[in-house]
Amino acid sequence: EIVLTQSPGTLSLSPGERATLSCRASQSVSSSYLAWYQQKPGQAPRLLIFGASGRATGIPDRFSGSGSGTDFTLTISRLEPEDVAVYYCQQYGGSPLWTFGQGTKVEIK
Amino acid sequence: EVQLLESGGGLLPPGGSLSLSCAASGFTFSTYTMSWVRQAPGKGLEWVSGISGSGAGTYYADSVKGRLSISRDNSKNTLYLQMTSLRAEDTAVYYCAKSSSNWASFDYWGQGSVVTVSS
Repeated sequence: EIVLTQSPGTLSLSPGERATLSCRASQSVSSSYLAWYQQKPGQAPRLLIFGASGRATGIPDRFSGSGSGTDFTLTISRLEPEDVAVYYCQQYGGSPLWTFGQGTKVEIK
Repeated sequence: EVQLLESGGGLLPPGGSLSLSCAASGFTFSTYTMSWVRQAPGKGLEWVSGISGSGAGTYYADSVKGRLSISRDNSKNTLYLQMTSLRAEDTAVYYCAKSSSNWASFDYWGQGSVVTVSS
């Protein structure tokens, strides 16, 4: 089973600051098969990044993804108040076919 | 516009059974793999089950294998999840999710259906 470990658990930053979220896999994951989601309180998750670095439709360019192998990163270049959410990474292709990380909560100071 | 609308959630006792439905619109339903993803109260996301576009391939998390059954009716653009032998730990919001064309990510999600297992 491929386990995804996200860090930190909670990130507290001021508006305009840069947020860096980490996702580490227990085994190598193809970059094509790594995605990131945003979940705001009381809402369904929303796809942010697919294929490790591709932005989904309608996602602002302050969100970017990078990484390969076992280390992946989601960066929010300039944090906005509406970015308060829990962010999940997800992989495809292991066993089970789809797995999620445990999430990183982003707060505004 | 892609829309996914879940229905069928509710409160039921341990050992009970329930069926969830997800009505899809705005895309060619039979072309895409679909999944159920759940979220227990205050917890993270857990993929539960997936089914290929034709319905020929079905996939389950170990935690639900043998108790949950996924199916689809492409003539009705509807995804189903039959849940049996329910346990307290199955209490969650159940989301219907559409896979991208390469199966790798979930590009559209429903609003979720709440299932509560309690005596």
